[in-house]
Amino acid sequence: ILNVEQSPQSLHVQEGDSTNFTCSFPSSNFYALHWYRWETAKSPEALFVMTLNGDEKKKGRISATLNTKEGYSYLYIKGSQPEDSATYLCAFIADKLIFGTGTRLQVFP
Amino acid sequence: GAVVSQHPSWVICKSGTSVKIECRSLDFQATTMFWYRQFPKQSLMLMATSNEGSKATYEQGVEKDKFLINHASLTLSTLTVTSAHPEDSSFYICSATPRLDLTEAFFGQGTRLTVV
Repeated sequence: ILNVEQSPQSLHVQEGDSTNFTCSFPSSNFYALHWYRWETAKSPEALFVMTLNGDEKKKGRISATLNTKEGYSYLYIKGSQPEDSATYLCAFIADKLIFGTGTRLQVFP
Repeated sequence: GAVVSQHPSWVICKSGTSVKIECRSLDFQATTMFWYRQFPKQSLMLMATSNEGSKATYEQGVEKDKFLINHASLTLSTLTVTSAHPEDSSFYICSATPRLDLTEAFFGQGTRLTVV
């Protein structure tokens, strides 16, 4: 059974703080990993697709890194804003998408 | 990004009735659509994978007679919860992809089903 874990489960930070969270996945037979941002009452929004070991991708204040050999990916948010409040999901691509439980981020003004 | 529309966003039904949820890819042809269910504080659990014109592939433990999936076209898949019971109350969400390697996957808004 393929297991994808995310930590922490939830995170509360002050506006302006930088934060990061982790997605752990099976390191063997890696193909690709998705990061999604999911706001309440909206569709999950694709942030990044990570494919190569050592990949680093950036979108505004959000960036992600990938280590396929040790089976983890980090998502970083620099200078968190209240609008960053959402659940961040990672999904491991096998023959289907296998999701972690998500990290729920709340940013307080 | 591409748009996937899921309807309804919420539904309340009586026990014993059936409920149909639609998932449409609005601006692309979806080779594959997925249906997920989410229990409180748990991750999205894949229920079934559907390809246009063929029978859906159900995950272990998902009753195919209970959760009927039809993928009639490259832009539409439906999930029908038949003879719904309160334990079927949950959040259901679909995903569609234009790519066989799943490196692009777009989600609907989800449907909150409450069976009373």
